[in-house]
Order: sequence, then structure tokens, then C-alpha cells
Amino acid sequence: NAGVTQTPKFQVLKTGQSMTLQCAQDMNHNSMYWYRQDPGMGLRLIYYSASEGTTDKGEVPNGYNVSRLNKREFSLRLESAAPSQTSVYFCASSVRGQPQHFGDGTRLSIL
Amino acid sequence: DAKTTQPNSMESNEEEPVHLPCNHSTISGTDYIHWYRQLPSQGPEYVIHGLTSNVNNRMASLAIAEDRKSSTLILHRATLRDAAVYYCILRGGIVDSGGSNYKLTFGKGTLLTVNP
Repeated sequence: NAGVTQTPKFQVLKTGQSMTLQCAQDMNHNSMYWYRQDPGMGLRLIYYSASEGTTDKGEVPNGYNVSRLNKREFSLRLESAAPSQTSVYFCASSVRGQPQHFGDGTRLSIL
Repeated sequence: DAKTTQPNSMESNEEEPVHLPCNHSTISGTDYIHWYRQLPSQGPEYVIHGLTSNVNNRMASLAIAEDRKSSTLILHRATLRDAAVYYCILRGGIVDSGGSNYKLTFGKGTLLTVNP
């Protein structure tokens, strides 16, 4: 079972470059989430999408945009990458009242 | 959202029980207590959750204090694969208008080391 798939797994960018992180889930979940995790820290919510066609800001949305392309896919875009956005990014999904399922993350370094 | 307090780290021996504590003195009556864990280089995975009564599943048990101000995740026989960061989370916030999904606020968790 694929579950939540994130691409790419690793990426190195230069400051100012743009990039889109992709996330897809095959569990027919209605809600999807993007988190970031900095070294030694817990995850922080960037954006979430409660259902197809809706998106909302989380705790740390500055510098990011999201698109809920369809029920399966939720992408995270960095328009102008900054070193402070070096982090591990996790996508998750869930369905009514059930636990969130996470992908294995995208490790992003910005030089 | 109500906060949780966990020890930074704990150590256990393989095949022994592990009791991971969590304090949540400001918990509200409708907050569920969730536990997730994060294995090295992986995303978090759900372990267990409960509201008032103790809960058991194939992975662990959750013991909730009568006043709900603390809880304990119990791994009955630790294995090397249980070495991970364990997060105690109070479910807070409503993601959709139906109230059926929710945000998770992660703290730093407890790093569990399992010795062979």
C-alpha cells in the first residue's frame, strides 16, 4: 500500500530559486496537511486543506503557497527559497475522525 | 491549544516494559490524548489515542489518570524497532466545518532509546 507519497525525497536549492513539493495519497482522505520539522524540534503545521477546493494557513505559512489540485494531491510551493526554509517537509492526510497518515518526508537544503 | 510536557529522553532494555509519561494539566474536557511516534528518517505514525478510559491496541496501551491531567504510554515489551521519538498530543482545533478533522500540535517529544 502506497499511503502518502512525497516527491522528491531530497533537494538542494540556491537562495531565490523556486520549487514545488508534491504530495499524493491513495486512501481517499478528504483532509491533507503540510508540516515542516527543523532539527531537534517537533513538526509545525504550514498549511492544510480540509477538503478538495479549500486551503487554510497553519502555524508557519509565510514564504509558502499551496494548491489542492484534486482530492489526491496537495502541493507546497516555495516561490523564492531562503536558507531559513531548510527543513524536512512532511505531508499528511486524514479522513473523518481518524489519525493522520504521514509520508516519509522531503529533505530540503537551501544554500 | 492545551500543552503537554514530556521528558526529553528515556532509556529501556529490550524485552522490558516501557512507561512513557505525559503531563497535560490544562487539558479540556473534550481533548483527546493522542500518541504518535517517529522512527529515524521517517514520518510520524499513529500509536494510540483515548479520552477518559484506558485503551489497548496491538502496539501499546494508554493509561489515563482519573483527573486526566496526565497519561502514560505503555510498551509492554520493548524491541529495538521501538526506538523512536514519542509525541503526546492533545487534539485541538477544527480543520473543517464538520468538525471531523483536526490539527496536531507537536512538541519535542521523548526520545526513547532501547538497549539490546
